[in-house]
Amino acid sequence: EIVLTQSPGTLSLSPGERATLSCRASQSIGDNYLAWYQQKPGQAPRVLMYGVSTRATGIPDRFSGSGSGTDFTLTISRLEPEDFAVYYCQQYGSPPRTFGQGTKLEIK
Amino acid sequence: QLHLQESGPGLVKPSETLSLTCTVSGGSINNPNYYWAWVRQPPGKRLEWIASVYYNGVTYYNPTLKSRLRISADTSRNQFSLRLTSVIAADTAVYYCARQTDWFDPWGQGKLVTVSS
Repeated sequence: EIVLTQSPGTLSLSPGERATLSCRASQSIGDNYLAWYQQKPGQAPRVLMYGVSTRATGIPDRFSGSGSGTDFTLTISRLEPEDFAVYYCQQYGSPPRTFGQGTKLEIK
Repeated sequence: QLHLQESGPGLVKPSETLSLTCTVSGGSINNPNYYWAWVRQPPGKRLEWIASVYYNGVTYYNPTLKSRLRISADTSRNQFSLRLTSVIAADTAVYYCARQTDWFDPWGQGKLVTVSS
């Protein structure tokens, strides 16, 4: 199965700053079949992006995704207070669907 | 708006069977556009896809758990269910149900299931 490794494990930033989160796959993910999720404490994950760079319904445009092959990035251009959460990547290019271990974005 | 809600016991003894049901409202599971899935999250660990069922009953399982799993759908009740047999402590997790295309959205709120005697 494809193993996804996210970095950094924890990212400490201030509101208004730019966040860059990385997701690296153990093998190439075909057709850019990668999604990103946001999870807040005590809540279920919600999808932010799919197809690497397509924002899900209602996701603000400060969120963007990029990458291909084995290296992918989620960028939050200007952090809002509600953006501090845990972020997961998920691949659906090769069964079984797998998730990264998460990046915790915390307030500095 | 689609809403999913997990239900079932929160405590299961080792070697017994974990049974969970997801009740879907605001939409029908009898829809060829979607699968219906279970995803779990052990404490402090990453999310893990467990199983999915299609509206016609076709099932897909995570190979690492397949021998202990059964997923099924009841379109008349708009529910789908998970059974995991011979549970061990490592099966302790928050279990989520979710609608699946290639990604998972939306999700239920999650059900913490603890395996302990």
